[in-house]
Formats: sequence, C-alpha cells, structure tokens
Amino acid sequence: NAGVTQTPKFQVLKTGQSMTLQCAQDMNHNSMYWYRQDPGMGLRLIYYSASEGTTDKGEVPNGYNVSRLNKREFSLRLESAAPSQTSVYFCASSQAPGGYGYTFGSGTRLTVV
Amino acid sequence: SQQGEEDPQALSIQEGENATMNCSYKTSINNLQWYRQNSGRGLVHLILIRSNEREKHSGRLRVTLDTSKKSSSLLITASRAADTASYFCATDIFQGAQKLVFGQGTRLTINP
Repeated sequence: NAGVTQTPKFQVLKTGQSMTLQCAQDMNHNSMYWYRQDPGMGLRLIYYSASEGTTDKGEVPNGYNVSRLNKREFSLRLESAAPSQTSVYFCASSQAPGGYGYTFGSGTRLTVV
Repeated sequence: SQQGEEDPQALSIQEGENATMNCSYKTSINNLQWYRQNSGRGLVHLILIRSNEREKHSGRLRVTLDTSKKSSSLLITASRAADTASYFCATDIFQGAQKLVFGQGTRLTINP
C-alpha cells in the first residue's frame, strides 16, 4: 500500500550540478506526472507520461528531462541545476490521463545554491 | 494566467463552523477535482465532479459545479482542527492532451 514513492525527500545542489529524482508507483497506473510547487504559484506540470513508452512536455519543461523506465517508474532529471529550480517537486500517477483522480507522492524539497 | 483560481486565498474560521471555498476557471472542462494538502505533505484527492454533474457529496464535503458560470465550490461542514490545510481545485482539460491544471489554493485554518 505504498502508493507513490519519491526519493530523495530533500536535496541541496550547487548550481550546475545534475541529479535525478526518482518516482515509483505500485498501483498499476498507466499515467504519471511531475509537478513543481512554488509559493503562490500552485502546482505546475513539468512533464507527463500518459502511458508506458510515451512522455510529453507540460507547462514548464525547460531545464528538465524525464524517463518512463517502465510502467512503475518515472524519473525527472536536472542536467545543470539553476537557483530557479529551487522548488518542491511532486510525482503523481493516475489510472488514465483523464477522468480519474491523481495519487501524489510526498514530494522532494530541492534547494539549488 | 491560471486556469483555475480559488477564492479566498486564505480563510480562518472557528471549529464547528462551515467553510466554503470557491474556484473559477476559464476553459471547458471534462471534470473538476478538489485536493487537500497538509503542510509539508503531498496532495490528497478529495472528490471529482464531472462536467454533467451539478452537486456531489462525500462525508462532510459538498461540491457544486456550475459550468455556465465556470465555477465550483467546496463546502466543508462542521469543521475540525484536522481540516486545517490548503485546498486546491484542479480542472481536467484537453489541451493537445488530457491534463489536470491546478489553481493556487485556499489556505484554511480552523481555530479551536
């Protein structure tokens, strides 16, 4: 009954460093998403994967890449971190792209200095 | 600009009172969803109302949807301290692909 698991929970990076945020779900959901949450901005969609083998850009994809490794796992990579990427990152999954509620992970708090 | 906008941005009431939060949106939707976020935690799905529905209940939650006004409201009855959280509306729209677009949220504080 883990739902959506994100790792790590906290990370501090220096400008220019790279890292990968991991996300895994155990609900056999087809669709997975990465959002970032900034104060006063709500959640903004970075990338999503409607089904295994597909990925698409969301509202704010610049500076990020994603990999849908298999049906369970969807990773988010920052190739060269910038202070503007300081945020809380949430992974979510749903049974299908539309018509269903999303299940969210507990988030990764990333600080880029 | 945001597809969904919540009003008010912050709401503080006494325990036992009812809390009403509103959401307005701009484009046609397939459904509208409400989520709760406790401080420092992920979002939790509360309720989904489809575009052809006008009202939906779940426990102490009541959601209404008026597609002609492009607005929704979330009513929490008999509030409890544990209801203190941020509440987000999210619109399920089609923009090249099916997407869920979140508003900025309402911060609800229940005072004991």
